[in-house]
Amino acid sequence: DTVLTQSPALAVSPGERVSISCRASEGVNSYMHWYQQKPGQQPKLLIYKASNLASGVPARFSGSGSGTDFTLTIDPVEADDTATYFCQQSWNDPTFGGGTKLELK
Amino acid sequence: EVQLVESGGGLVQPGRSMKLSCAASGFTFSDYYMAWVRQAPKKGLEWVASISYEGSSTYYGDSVKGRFTISRDNAKSTLYLQMNSLRSEDTATYYCARRVGSWREVDYWGQGVMVTVSS
Repeated sequence: DTVLTQSPALAVSPGERVSISCRASEGVNSYMHWYQQKPGQQPKLLIYKASNLASGVPARFSGSGSGTDFTLTIDPVEADDTATYFCQQSWNDPTFGGGTKLELK
Repeated sequence: EVQLVESGGGLVQPGRSMKLSCAASGFTFSDYYMAWVRQAPKKGLEWVASISYEGSSTYYGDSVKGRFTISRDNAKSTLYLQMNSLRSEDTATYYCARRVGSWREVDYWGQGVMVTVSS
């Protein structure tokens, strides 16, 4: 299986820029997607195909990367962005990263 | 409006069976691959199973292969997950998910249904 590695947690102040990384154990082309999950809610698609913004998602969110290294950037961060962010690859049998919990200072 | 509504969860004893359903509305169900994704309490997401448009092709994660069966009824716009030989490690919230086209991302998720496997 393709293992996706994410940092467990990050803390930033509102108004700052934050980058959340996801590293794949093998190349996944651009078949990387990002989801946001708030406590008690289902995940929500933010970015698909590495860098494409999903419908209705604010332009503060952006994605980049290809191959094995991918980044989700939020700029500027708002209080409502407190959530856990998951990456998911669909190049091979689908797998998710462990999630990065974003907290605001 | 796209809606995915799961049902059928609850408490079940180890070794027993349970069947989940997901009623879809707001889109042409047969035009989409569908999937089940689960999340154990305070844990990450795990892809459980997925199924092609007409149900002819299925995929299962290693942890459920041989025990779970995904199926669909396009006439009823309903997705199913038959879970047999349940184990404590199957305890999780199960999400019904719509998988999209060429890049295979999930663009809609249900609210989820909780399955607890315990004696």
